[in-house]
Amino acid sequence: SQQGEEDPQALSIQEGENATMNCSYKTSINNLQWYRQNSGRGLVHLILIRSNEREKHSGRLRVTLDTSKKSSSLLITASRAADTASYFCATPRNTGANSKLTFGKGITLSVRP
Amino acid sequence: DVKVTQSSRYLVKRTGEKVFLECVQDMDHENMFWYRQDPGLGLRLIYFSYDVKMKEKGDIPEGYSVSREKKERFSLILESASTNQTSMYLCASSPGVWQPQHFGDGTRLSIL
Repeated sequence: SQQGEEDPQALSIQEGENATMNCSYKTSINNLQWYRQNSGRGLVHLILIRSNEREKHSGRLRVTLDTSKKSSSLLITASRAADTASYFCATPRNTGANSKLTFGKGITLSVRP
Repeated sequence: DVKVTQSSRYLVKRTGEKVFLECVQDMDHENMFWYRQDPGLGLRLIYFSYDVKMKEKGDIPEGYSVSREKKERFSLILESASTNQTSMYLCASSPGVWQPQHFGDGTRLSIL
């Protein structure tokens, strides 16, 4: 099964509201990453949080990491229509030298004007 | 800014054809990746390369091969295209396997 799984699968909110998206994972990680994908485009890296960090901010984005619960959340504050996109969490599959990132299936966020 | 360029945004090929998808990055990254993205299945890793002429299979390598003759270029080859290879193909690069990946805009490939 997937290393990282996002929740919910889809989210629809009004412009100006906050959007919270969650990601759970199964094995120990050294970092967790969030990406955004606009329709028909490639993924864009948003933020990386290391396993020894609990919270990280970037503009209107706030990411938390709870390693005891093996979960992370991405909060987008004061959402805009331009935030409409799919959001993915990604985690290293293992700690080996050639470990790869595993991406979840994504959350579709719709922000209504 | 890192730029990852995929040679085609849209491509239509016929069953049995040999198909080449090209990807070029301009940031001297060691690692390059090929994924396919299908509705409901997310991103699945086909192959990745951690150095010139080095490659490693991902989760779904069957029916595909890759070539990395130069550091900046990573090619995905469909040896004999089949309809179940119709998909969005995404190329990415990163300075290290756990580091943030930079993606191209994808190639939407249709096999008829």
